[in-house]
Amino acid sequence: EAGVAQSPRYKIIEKRQSVAFWCNPISGHATLYWYQQILGQGPKLLIQFQNNGVVDDSQLPKDRFSAERLKGVDSTLKIQPAKLEDSAVYLCASSPSTGGYEQYFGPGTRLTVT
Amino acid sequence: DQQVKQNSPSLSVQEGRISILNCDYTNSMFDYFLWYKKYPAEGPTFLISISSIKDKNEDGRFTVFLNKSAKHLSLHIVPSQPGDSAVYFCAARGGATNKLIFGTGTLLAVQP
Repeated sequence: EAGVAQSPRYKIIEKRQSVAFWCNPISGHATLYWYQQILGQGPKLLIQFQNNGVVDDSQLPKDRFSAERLKGVDSTLKIQPAKLEDSAVYLCASSPSTGGYEQYFGPGTRLTVT
Repeated sequence: DQQVKQNSPSLSVQEGRISILNCDYTNSMFDYFLWYKKYPAEGPTFLISISSIKDKNEDGRFTVFLNKSAKHLSLHIVPSQPGDSAVYFCAARGGATNKLIFGTGTLLAVQP
C-alpha cells in the first residue's frame, strides 16, 4: 500500500512570495490533515478535511493560508504572501475516517522563507 | 496553552537498557493517546496508542502506561536498540473530529 505522498520535499522562497504544497493521501482515506511543524515544536493542525469538506480550520491563518481538496482526494495548501515565521515543515496526513484515531503522515515539505 | 507537554527534550540510554519517555497533559477530556516516532527527513510514524479507559497497552518491546489521575503517560522501550534513536512525540485526541494535539517531542539516543 502506497503511503502519503507530498511534493515538493524542499522549497526556499523569499518573504512576500507565494508557495503551494501538494498532498496525495493513502487510497481510500476519507480524512486529510495539514500540519505545520516549526523547529523544536510538535506538529500543529492547520486544517482537516473530511472528503472534500472542511471539518476544522480553526488554526489556519486565513489571511494568508488557503487549502482545498478537490474531488475528495488530492489536496493543496497555499501560502500567499509568505512571512519569515512560516518557515517550517508542512506535513500532510490521512486517516480512514474520523473514527480512526491513527493518522498516517507523509514525509513533509520543508519550507524556508528568507 | 500547551495541553500536551514533554518536559524532557532529550534522553540518552545504553543499548539493552530501558528507555522511559514521559508525557503530561492538562485536558481531562482527552480520550485517546498515541505515540509517534520520527526519523530525520521523514514524517512521524505511528508507534502505539492507548484508550483513556485503559492503564496499559503493550506491543512487543513497547509499552504505554496511562495514569489518568496524574494526567500522565509514559512510553517504555525494553530493550532499547540503536534503531530506536529518533524523536518521539506524544499526542492526545481531543473531540469528535479526531484532532490530535502533539507534544514538543523527546529526542532519544540509544548508545551502542
